[in-house]
Amino acid sequence: EAGVAQSPRYKIIEKRQSVAFWCNPISGHATLYWYQQILGQGPKLLIQFQNNGVVDDSQLPKDRFSAERLKGVDSTLKIQPAKLEDSAVYLCASRDRVINTGELFFGEGSRLTVL
Amino acid sequence: GNSVTQMEGPVTLSEEAFLTINCTYTATGYPSLFWYVQYPGEGLQLLLKATKADDKGSNKGFEATYRKETTSFHLEKGSVQVSDSAVYFCALRAGGGNKLTFGTGTQLKVEL
Repeated sequence: EAGVAQSPRYKIIEKRQSVAFWCNPISGHATLYWYQQILGQGPKLLIQFQNNGVVDDSQLPKDRFSAERLKGVDSTLKIQPAKLEDSAVYLCASRDRVINTGELFFGEGSRLTVL
Repeated sequence: GNSVTQMEGPVTLSEEAFLTINCTYTATGYPSLFWYVQYPGEGLQLLLKATKADDKGSNKGFEATYRKETTSFHLEKGSVQVSDSAVYFCALRAGGGNKLTFGTGTQLKVEL
């Protein structure tokens, strides 16, 4: 079974530039999450999708961050314009809602450095 | 709100030493508790979990017991190996939405 795929693995940009991260969850997983992990901190939830609908985006900085999951499969997280404090690893995770063990399956993450 | 507090790292041990990583939590209701592990260059993966008080989760020689009276979920292993070197995250899930709240992570280094 293929895991959660994320790209790019690494990205370096200047502040005020834009960046997009892509995630393809495990096939059949209806629930998808984006987490932000700043160095030395635990992952923080940015947004949760159930199929193509948003379940929770209460901690998403909506003035600069956006995310979509148009067809209920893969998802894109965008930052525009980026700030220095956005430097972090962006983690995508998915969950099987049918076989609900509560386990989240994580991708390897996309590491963003904002200069 | 919900929160998880873990002991700070890095924790450096010799191979075959006993490991304890402390985790305490604050949550409304009755959360489920998890330990996730992140090996170098890999994504987070579930190590073990417990869904109610006094449950013991176990996997790969690691154990953790859900202690409601002390709001704790400490991770233990009797004899660590070099291959256990990783970052360990304690997490909880409370309320609806299956959202996980993570601790800050504890890095474990095991040396020969």
